[in-house]
Amino acid sequence: KAGVTQTPRYLIKTRGQQVTLSCSPISGHRSVSWYQQTPGQGLQFLFEYFSETQRNKGNFPGRFSGRQFSNSRSEMNVSTLELGDSALYLCASSLTGGGSANYGYTFGSGTRLTVV
Amino acid sequence: GDSVTQMEGPVTLSEEAFLTINCTYTATGYPSLFWYVQYPGEGLQLLLKATKADDKGSNKGFEATYRKETTSFHLEKGSVQVSDSAVYFCALSDLQGAQKLVFGQGTRLTINP
Repeated sequence: KAGVTQTPRYLIKTRGQQVTLSCSPISGHRSVSWYQQTPGQGLQFLFEYFSETQRNKGNFPGRFSGRQFSNSRSEMNVSTLELGDSALYLCASSLTGGGSANYGYTFGSGTRLTVV
Repeated sequence: GDSVTQMEGPVTLSEEAFLTINCTYTATGYPSLFWYVQYPGEGLQLLLKATKADDKGSNKGFEATYRKETTSFHLEKGSVQVSDSAVYFCALSDLQGAQKLVFGQGTRLTINP
C-alpha cells in the first residue's frame, strides 16, 4: 500500500512569505502529526490532527497552523516566514495516534523548507 | 515533561563490529518506546518498538529491551554492516498523555568497510 506522501519535497521561500505543506496519510489512517527537524533543536512536535480536529499542539508560535480534511489529508501553513523556520518538516500518520503501540507511526520523506 | 537522552555521537565502527547506542528516558506513566532510523535524504523509519517493561523489540538484527528499573532502551546489533550507516533516534510516546512522540537528539552511525 502507498506510504505517507508529502509535497513538495523541496521549497525555497523568502522571509515574510507564507508557505503551505501537504501530507497524505496512509489509506485508512486518521491521525496525522507534524514534526519540525533542525540540526539545532532536533525533532520537535508541531501538532496532531485526528478526524479533522486538532488534538494536541506543540510549543510553536501561532504562525504555525494546520488543518485536516475529511479524507484525512493534512496541510500545515507557516505565515510570515523567518530564517529560523528553515527545516525538514515531517508528517507522520497512524490509525488512531496516541502512541499507537499496536500500529506505530509511519513517516513521510519530508518537505525541506529553506527560507532566504 | 517527558524526555529522551541518547548517547552522544557520531559513532564510527568497522564492519562486523558490535553496536550499542544508549538511550535513557524520563516519563510519567508507562510510555511505549521506539527506535527510528533516518537514512540520508529520507524520513524516519520505525526500526523496532516495545510497549511494556521487559519487552524486547527486534528487527533486521537490531534489538532493544525495555528496562523500567533503569529507564533505558539501549539499541544493540551483533554485527553491523555498511548499510546500517544512518542516524538513529530513540523516542517515547506516552499512551496516557499527549498524542505525540518525544525524540532523543539522534546518533549518527557510520560503518566503514
